[in-house]
Amino acid sequence: DTTVKQNPRYKLARVGKPVNLICSQTMNHDTMYWYQKKPNQAPKLLLFYYDKILNREADTFEKFQSSRPNNSFCSLYIGSAGLEYSAMYLCASSRDRVDTQYFGPGTRLLVL
Amino acid sequence: GDSVTQTEGLVTLTKGLPVMLNCTYQTTYSPFLFWYVQHLNEAPKLLLKSSTDNKRTEHQGFYATLHKSSSSFHLQKSSVQLSDSALYFCALSASSGSWQLIFGSGTQLTVMP
Repeated sequence: DTTVKQNPRYKLARVGKPVNLICSQTMNHDTMYWYQKKPNQAPKLLLFYYDKILNREADTFEKFQSSRPNNSFCSLYIGSAGLEYSAMYLCASSRDRVDTQYFGPGTRLLVL
Repeated sequence: GDSVTQTEGLVTLTKGLPVMLNCTYQTTYSPFLFWYVQHLNEAPKLLLKSSTDNKRTEHQGFYATLHKSSSSFHLQKSSVQLSDSALYFCALSASSGSWQLIFGSGTQLTVMP
């Protein structure tokens, strides 16, 4: 089973409010990733966990936080949502950093 | 830095015709190239991957050949079906130490009856 699950599938948030997105996988993959995808743009890597080590992209460092309480779960946290956060958020996992990434169906976030 | 270019944002074809979706990349390191396909409301799924120069890789009727001389990994199919309508992403992973997956902007393929 190469399923990556994401919850919720759709999220409506108010400007200034926090948002928490959840991702899970049961493949015992070492690495989990979060991407942001906006229409007509490439998916943009926000951060990834290699085991318990969090790596965040420099240009989104202060905008997104994450936690990985165990190997199977990974969250993406936005402390104060802005309109620019409206996007599809894709979670992915891979056996290690050089292996194929398996994607979840995404969470579509709309900030109003 | 590393980059991937997909020149067509939208491709519309009639069923049964051949298709080629362009993908070129830039990296100074040894590349791994991927094609992912995302159907509506589904997760992106791996379609093809390759790191071997001039070797054709095939899956589900789609094929691509990595050409390092031209930095290309074009996706082709000889006869498209209605079920091929989807968003196709080309992606690059390079042995620069980070192994991050860098995506192109995607090509939306629509197949008409």
